[in-house]
Amino acid sequence: GAGVSQSPSNKVTEKGKDVELRCDPISGHTALYWYRQRLGQGLEFLIYFQGNSAPDKSGLPSDRFSAERTGESVSTLTIQRTQQEDSAVYLCASSSTVAETQYFGPGTRLLVL
Amino acid sequence: TQLLEQSPQFLSIQEGENLTVYCNSSSVFSSLQWYRQEPGEGPVLLVTVVTGGEVKKLKRLTFQFGDARKDSSLHITAAQPGDTGLYLCAGIKASGTYKYIFGTGTRLKVLA
Repeated sequence: GAGVSQSPSNKVTEKGKDVELRCDPISGHTALYWYRQRLGQGLEFLIYFQGNSAPDKSGLPSDRFSAERTGESVSTLTIQRTQQEDSAVYLCASSSTVAETQYFGPGTRLLVL
Repeated sequence: TQLLEQSPQFLSIQEGENLTVYCNSSSVFSSLQWYRQEPGEGPVLLVTVVTGGEVKKLKRLTFQFGDARKDSSLHITAAQPGDTGLYLCAGIKASGTYKYIFGTGTRLKVLA
């Protein structure tokens, strides 16, 4: 596609529910990243995938967070048993390879009530 | 844990003024990037600096990487309302695996 797309653009959920966020990277990009951005703050690294290598999960804040990627295509970030502190914008980025320019999607705004 | 501190956090200036944003760390980075993010959008890369002491210019924006590769600055000359946005620096550590560490952000508002 022309750019990185994310869905849904907005998500409101109740505390305790599970949510699944989707990222479609730029076609051909082998590296894919997930970040969290709390209101008015910088980006917090969550996880990145590079080709068929084991993902770097070092940024995931708890075992309620998990992510998967099918080959070099779509990725899903799942948050189980959501908490109010999970409310944030979740940004996805992709790059042709890990050291190259990251292109960001518009983000998914998650609000946990 | 935030390893990159940006200052100031907020800046509101009049059109035509100059400004400098700082990005500081106690860590050494392989390279450093600056991004601008507008409301409702993802960050967009402005520049990557790689060599200690490197200076890059992008129209009215001047980026400098510190000699020790621990800090960076962004200077905007004659700011315009279109410069309004959130400016983020990101340090990259390349040692076996790549780590992107984003700064705390500087929110700039340029008033017409």
